[in-house]
Amino acid sequence: KQEVTQIPAALSVPEGENLVLNCSFTDSAIYNLQWFRQDPGKGLTSLLLIQSSQREQTSGRLNASLDKSSGRSTLYIAASQPGDSATYLCAVNPNRDDKIIFGKGTRLHILP
Amino acid sequence: GAVVSQHPSRVICKSGTSVKIECRSLDFQATTMFWYRQFPKQSLMLMATSNEGSKATYEQGVEKDKFLINHASLTLSTLTVTSAHPEDSSFYICSASAIQGITYNEQFFGPGTRLTVL
Repeated sequence: KQEVTQIPAALSVPEGENLVLNCSFTDSAIYNLQWFRQDPGKGLTSLLLIQSSQREQTSGRLNASLDKSSGRSTLYIAASQPGDSATYLCAVNPNRDDKIIFGKGTRLHILP
Repeated sequence: GAVVSQHPSRVICKSGTSVKIECRSLDFQATTMFWYRQFPKQSLMLMATSNEGSKATYEQGVEKDKFLINHASLTLSTLTVTSAHPEDSSFYICSASAIQGITYNEQFFGPGTRLTVL
């Protein structure tokens, strides 16, 4: 059974710092992996999607990497800003039937 | 990008009433839609998967007679919480799966509906 774990559960860093959020999954046979952002009381915004054949994806200040063999993904945020404060969710799609499995998220707080 | 809407965004109802939540894909056709619920400070829990024109597939522990799902068209799915009780109060989020290219599916999420049952 696929399980997705995110560490740390919460993180506070000063504005301007680069930071890394971690995601691990127990079964390396995945179809794709997504990183989402969720603001309090809001829905999910997709940040990056990495196919199983890819090793990383970049969008602006965000970079997500995928190492299937070790069951890990990281989300790198460069030059953090207070507006980056949110919960970041990692989700794994085990196969093409679309039933994705979420981690519990990392609550990020960027200190001005 | 693909947009998914939900209506209403917030609903407060009395115990025993039924509440319908709509999920629409605005600029794409969604063969599959998903319904999740989320409790405070918890992650999303998949409730059911619905494919257009067929019965929804419910996750273990989710009462299909309690949470009625209808996916009548490629752009609309509805979730009806029947005879709602306070324990049904939660944040309900839908997502829609669009096929892009030929290699992968991506889920697009709605903004969520906050249900409060008094």
